[in-house]
Amino acid sequence: EPEVTQTPSHQVTQMGQEVILRCVPISNHLYFYWYRQILGQKVEFLVSFYNNEISEKSEIFDDQFSVERPDGSNFTLKIRSTKLEDSAMYFCASRTNGNTIYFGEGSWLTVV
Amino acid sequence: AQSVSQHNHHVILSEAASLELGCNYSYGGTVNLFWYVQYPGQHLQLLLKYFSGDPLVKGIKGFEAEFIKSKFSFNLRKPSVQWSDTAEYFCAVSPNNNAGNMLTFGGGTRLMVKP
Repeated sequence: EPEVTQTPSHQVTQMGQEVILRCVPISNHLYFYWYRQILGQKVEFLVSFYNNEISEKSEIFDDQFSVERPDGSNFTLKIRSTKLEDSAMYFCASRTNGNTIYFGEGSWLTVV
Repeated sequence: AQSVSQHNHHVILSEAASLELGCNYSYGGTVNLFWYVQYPGQHLQLLLKYFSGDPLVKGIKGFEAEFIKSKFSFNLRKPSVQWSDTAEYFCAVSPNNNAGNMLTFGGGTRLMVKP
């Protein structure tokens, strides 16, 4: 079964550093998402991306965050200057024109 | 904006007990409804979904859920749980408007099944 794959699975970074989380969505999918889950809290929507542009974003997705689909297969989330409170599991997800969203295994980011 | 409430934060059951996890949502329009499961150390996996039609939907691993429109509920059920069902369960909602289909998650319910 096709999967959404994410790298790295774990990353530890110092506060203020830039981080790029990478995702390869399922190949025929058109809509792409980033969600995050802070330890012990609910899964929160960050951003959705369609047709090479952001279609929706949450309040969490401020100017420190950006997304890109640089080459037609990867979908990246960049955090420009990480803060301690950015420590979370970041999930990439994708879907076709259907309504079921498929999630990757997550990238665990720890900011120290 | 939509919101989702899961009233049970932690549930402990013995094997073979029946399970019902509550999920209520608020949204003014038509919705798609989902239950996802997250086993320890793993990613979110789709358990079942409701888009339209029969309000009783069956998913994987013997789970089912019933959409009751009048109660804005989509409770998850399993007649007999197993130790391997120990996981966190998330109810989620997206508006059925063919746009970004942003998912809004409930806070999750941690289920522990004692052998």
